[in-house]
Amino acid sequence: QLVLTQSPSASASLGASVKLTCTLSSGHSSYAIAWHQQQPEKGPRYLMKLNSDGSHSKGDGIPDRFSGSSSGAERYLTISSLQSEDEADYYCQTWGTGIYVVFGGGTKLTVL
Amino acid sequence: QVQLVQSGAEVKKPGASVKVSCKVSGYTLTELSMHWVRQAPGKGLEWMGGFDPEDGETIYAQKFQGRVTMTEDTSTDTAYMELSSLRSEDTAVYYCSLFGVVINWGQGTLVTVSS
Repeated sequence: QLVLTQSPSASASLGASVKLTCTLSSGHSSYAIAWHQQQPEKGPRYLMKLNSDGSHSKGDGIPDRFSGSSSGAERYLTISSLQSEDEADYYCQTWGTGIYVVFGGGTKLTVL
Repeated sequence: QVQLVQSGAEVKKPGASVKVSCKVSGYTLTELSMHWVRQAPGKGLEWMGGFDPEDGETIYAQKFQGRVTMTEDTSTDTAYMELSSLRSEDTAVYYCSLFGVVINWGQGTLVTVSS
């Protein structure tokens, strides 16, 4: 079964960097994912699509501070030079058989 | 750049139906894989179903089969999601979303189910 696992929470200091992780279930390590950001009281915003080889394509207007990387079944979102507006929920998402869409449980990022 | 604009908030009584619309601009709806996602208060994102433009089929998450209908009006580039037999647990923000070659989100529509 295709499952995405995310840590429920993460925190980092203003101006620092943070690396969020999304783990694909066994047998699905070649899958691409997408990262989405949801700021408080707002709808989700597409950040990037991330392939298993680490190549990624970002959505319109996404700052260079956001980058993605991959290692095996792990997909990472790194945010550098953290700003207060980066405090948000971050969801990973992938595609199952056909057009089925699967979401991770989300990571709540706190900027200290 | 594609934009998705959804209809306004709705308040419904248990047992009723709700129909949410999503107007597409910047692309033709037939080129897109339109999906619907919901988010209950304080919870994560939940995929409800979507349209596969390659074979023209609409696929629903098992949880919603029999209660949800997703349709498209290609003459106006508008997608619709209708959910029937509403219960209080269906109170959520409903999003139309694109998860194909183009990835994007609508602004969300709050549906409140309350007697």
